[in-house]
Amino acid sequence: AQSVTQLDSQVPVFEEAPVELRCNYSSSVSVYLFWYVQYPNQGLQLLLKYLSGSTLVKGINGFEAEFNKSQTSFHLRKPSVHISDTAEYFCAVSDHQGAQKLVFGQGTRLTINP
Amino acid sequence: EAGVAQSPRYKIIEKRQSVAFWCNPISGHATLYWYQQILGQGPKLLIQFQNNGVVDDSQLPKDRFSAERLKGVDSTLKIQPAKLEDSAVYLCASSPGGLNYGYTFGSGTRLTVV
Repeated sequence: AQSVTQLDSQVPVFEEAPVELRCNYSSSVSVYLFWYVQYPNQGLQLLLKYLSGSTLVKGINGFEAEFNKSQTSFHLRKPSVHISDTAEYFCAVSDHQGAQKLVFGQGTRLTINP
Repeated sequence: EAGVAQSPRYKIIEKRQSVAFWCNPISGHATLYWYQQILGQGPKLLIQFQNNGVVDDSQLPKDRFSAERLKGVDSTLKIQPAKLEDSAVYLCASSPGGLNYGYTFGSGTRLTVV
């Protein structure tokens, strides 16, 4: 079974500063990895996904993430954040086989201060 | 394309009452998921449908929760009787196929049990 640990429950940063949201996963098989964003009172929106190939994945809104198999990590980064990036961010993992269900981490609340 | 529609958006009920949620996935999406998101936690899969068949319901509390997907399109999730710990946001998602296509989430139904 897969599991996901998001190492920070809250991350406050100043506007235009860089940010990194950390995600580690556990799995005995090959995985797909995802980052979702959830704005208040909304559903989850896909930011980016790693399925195979290049370990550096670029997503929407200027976000990118790097898959590190040896460290079982998939950290999310953005070089310069905006107030509009304030939201909850979820890392998720799925195996390649079977039902391919998504297993989510606990979430990281990103707060951007002016 | 139209997104995943869910209703109602909010529901408040007393414990031991019953409640039902409705989901209309994106047209043509064969796979439908119901997730439970308790405040401060990541979403947890309750049930996954492929067309009108159940693929995974291992985390569905079957003594009180039930779900169906008639004709492989709309789906309803029911709780009977509700408990205080069922207070959560219930998210529906759909996908045209495997995870490489990604999920599309609805806005969710926020249930409060008092």
